Amino acid sequence: QVQLVESGGGVVQPGRSLRLSCAASGFTFSSQGMHWVRQAPGKGLEWVAVISSDGGNTHYGDSVKGRFSISRDNSKNTLSLEMNSLTPEDTAVYHCARDSTPFGDYVFDFWGQGTLVTVSS
Amino acid sequence: DIQMTQSPSSLSASVGDRVTITCRASQSIRNYLNWYQKKPGDAPKLLISTASSLQDGVPSRFSGSGSGTEFTLTISSLQPADFSTYYCQQAFGTPPTFGGGTKVEIK
Repeated sequence: QVQLVESGGGVVQPGRSLRLSCAASGFTFSSQGMHWVRQAPGKGLEWVAVISSDGGNTHYGDSVKGRFSISRDNSKNTLSLEMNSLTPEDTAVYHCARDSTPFGDYVFDFWGQGTLVTVSS
Repeated sequence: DIQMTQSPSSLSASVGDRVTITCRASQSIRNYLNWYQKKPGDAPKLLISTASSLQDGVPSRFSGSGSGTEFTLTISSLQPADFSTYYCQQAFGTPPTFGGGTKVEIK
């Protein structure tokens, strides 16, 4: 069965960096676009970034553009999110999510449980 | 960005009730509308894609309808497992955007 397991969350000071990972199994990872979606405490869902199946195309939400970088290693079935210049507004549970197509058509058909990132001094 | 507005933001209902949640888009999104169920601490679950396509394994008491700017999610007979928060999401434009959520609570 499809499994997505995030890791790398924790408490980090404002201005610092953090790298999240998502280990995928149960499907052909290299055939699907992948996303990061976050949920701040008490808030709704916010899309963060997408990467196409071959890694050749990426897009970001305005709130993270220029600070976050999404990447993938299809040989290791792993998705990553490099987060720089973190602010308290980045505090959230970060979910990785599979797209139903290779291109990132924004249908999130499977999700991980998420990893909590807390940005605080 | 396309704004998605859900109503109500919360509702109380009893087991067996028929529940309807509405989602409105700030512009036409044709039928590029998905619905998710989210419970605290759990991964979100895709229920319905392209406005009305029920995902494999999702009970038939869930249904979706609509096109353009107005959409509905209906639960025909609410079950204990359905008490949760529901989100709509448009897949028409970048960035994809979510509604604010509808929390379905036990009356």
